[in-house]
Amino acid sequence: AQSVTQLGSHVSVSEGALVLLRCNYSSSVPPYLFWYVQYPNQGLQLLLKYTSAATLVKGINGFEAEFKKSETSFHLTKPSAHMSDAAEYFCAVSAPYGNNRLAFGKGNQVVVIP
Amino acid sequence: DGGITQSPKYLFRKEGQNVTLSCEQNLNHDAMYWYRQDPGQGLRLIYYSQIVNDFQKGDIAEGYSVSREKKESFPLTVTSAQKNPTAFYLCASRNNRGRNTEAFFGQGTRLTVV
Repeated sequence: AQSVTQLGSHVSVSEGALVLLRCNYSSSVPPYLFWYVQYPNQGLQLLLKYTSAATLVKGINGFEAEFKKSETSFHLTKPSAHMSDAAEYFCAVSAPYGNNRLAFGKGNQVVVIP
Repeated sequence: DGGITQSPKYLFRKEGQNVTLSCEQNLNHDAMYWYRQDPGQGLRLIYYSQIVNDFQKGDIAEGYSVSREKKESFPLTVTSAQKNPTAFYLCASRNNRGRNTEAFFGQGTRLTVV
């Protein structure tokens, strides 16, 4: 089964500093990968997705992620953190065939320090 | 506007009661999902359905039941067999034609046992 690992449940970043959230996947073939953001007491909103086209994917709100097959990674970055980036971020994976399950990591709670 | 509607937003359950959470979508998506969210545990899959009148257990199906009688609707019943039902429940839908499509989420239902 496909799975993703997100390390570090809480991530603190200073306003204006780089945001880096790590996601590593487990799969025998390159899967489809997604990053979602969740604000308190709300549903999830898609930030970006990798679907085997370009390995560097740009998303909303200035976020981007790079798919690295050799490292089985799909890390999320933003060059300069803003106070509005404080939220919880989830990496998710879907297999390119078989069942239609969408599996999520445990999430990173991002705190932005002014 | 197309989207997913979950109701109610807040729900209180007494010990031993069954309760049903509603999820309706007008996105014409074939696949629908129920996830449970607890602090620090990410999203865990309860049940999913890829087509009307068919559904599969996820990772934590015990104590839950679902039905999929209509394409638009995928209600979740939390039964008295679920010993720790207090959590945030999220419903999602997804286009079934490709594994590279993202899921769309409702705003969630927060269930509390009183």
